[in-house]
Amino acid sequence: AQSVTQLDSHVSVSEGTPVLLRCNYSSSYSPSLFWYVQHPNKGLQLLLKYTSAATLVKGINGFEAEFKKSETSFHLTKPSAHMSDAAEYFCVVRDLNTGGFKTIFGAGTRLFVKA
Amino acid sequence: DTAVSQTPKYLVTQMGNDKSIKCEQNLGHDTMYWYKQDSKKFLKIMFSYNNKELIINETVPNRFSPKSPDKAHLNLHINSLELGDSAVYFCASSQVNTGHNNEQFFGPGTRLTVL
Repeated sequence: AQSVTQLDSHVSVSEGTPVLLRCNYSSSYSPSLFWYVQHPNKGLQLLLKYTSAATLVKGINGFEAEFKKSETSFHLTKPSAHMSDAAEYFCVVRDLNTGGFKTIFGAGTRLFVKA
Repeated sequence: DTAVSQTPKYLVTQMGNDKSIKCEQNLGHDTMYWYKQDSKKFLKIMFSYNNKELIINETVPNRFSPKSPDKAHLNLHINSLELGDSAVYFCASSQVNTGHNNEQFFGPGTRLTVL
């Protein structure tokens, strides 16, 4: 079965410092992976997705993620945090055992950004 | 212009009542979903419909009955509401049949409070 694990429930960084949000996946197929962001009291917005075209994926707002098959990881990074990055982040895998009709969300990582 | 819309945005009701949440997407997608987000921000898929057909039903109580009158709409009716139904419900859509890397687009959510 496919699954996704976000290794940190909370991450706190200072403004201007790098961000690392960790995600590990389990998949018997070549995975379909996504990162979404949810700002307080808002819906979810796609940050980036892994399409197997490139292992380093660039997303919106300066975020990027690197797919590492050997480590079964898809960690999200940003070189310099901004106050507006404070939000909940979800790593998501598409469950191809169900024909791609089901997505599995990680438990989420809350990012705090200190001034 | 809204891609995925939900109504109402807020719903406050008494235990035992029956209520409906409506969802519409204007993206021409073939698949629609309902998710439940609990107070700890955990997102879990409830239902997935592809071309108006139920594909995924994630052991949701049968008090929850989705209905898809056409590919652009997926409504959620809940009978005999319970306190534990209080959550934020998100509708989403995606185009699945042309590729598993297609992301989901989320509605703004409906915050249901059962008193």
